[in-house]
Amino acid sequence: DTEVTQTPKHLVMGMTNKKSLKCEQHMGHRAMYWYKQKAKKPPELMFVYSYEKLSINESVPSRFSPECPNSSLLNLHLHALQPEDSALYLCASSQREGVYGNTIYFGEGSWLTVV
Amino acid sequence: QKEVEQNSGPLSVPEGAIASLNCTYSDRGSQSFFWYRQYSGKSPELIMFIYSNGDKEDGRFTAQLNKASQYVSLLIRDSQPSDSATYLCAVKRDNNRLAFGKGNQVVVIP
Repeated sequence: DTEVTQTPKHLVMGMTNKKSLKCEQHMGHRAMYWYKQKAKKPPELMFVYSYEKLSINESVPSRFSPECPNSSLLNLHLHALQPEDSALYLCASSQREGVYGNTIYFGEGSWLTVV
Repeated sequence: QKEVEQNSGPLSVPEGAIASLNCTYSDRGSQSFFWYRQYSGKSPELIMFIYSNGDKEDGRFTAQLNKASQYVSLLIRDSQPSDSATYLCAVKRDNNRLAFGKGNQVVVIP
């Protein structure tokens, strides 16, 4: 079982709504990630937080706003989304940024549908 | 050339046979390599990681890495129906970015 917990598991929202996806890990990992995955495609990186600071933003539209309140929590705030933003949103974590010994573990994901 | 390539189409194997999955990568400086399994409608689950040239075995899974050829593979021995899934090859880039291949679907036929 994954030790990265995501809520909600499923979310349906209108294009004018504001909602948030939440992620929590208690493995002491200091790097946390948001990925987006469309059907039959590999995950695409959106954001990386390292030691609670945003270190990577892969040119994600501003309607997605990440937040890292502390080392265990990661949020993704959603506002004015489009139907094409419907996807599986995956939170992940690793011990730290870097190349070696930093296996990335995924949460179970949040299925988002924008109507 | 794509950063990580998994070119094979869906792979059908009889139960008990060996499934072989291949992956090539373009960045010769890549150091860390991962195989994830993803069941339909679920999130990716780490199967194996490998950093050094050669083979690494974990139960029925063996990862093989050849940095000179920029090639990493995954063997699944004694394939079971529960192995039916999409297998994603991932390569660690700088700053902890993971570059994923498009995935290979494996179907184990009872």
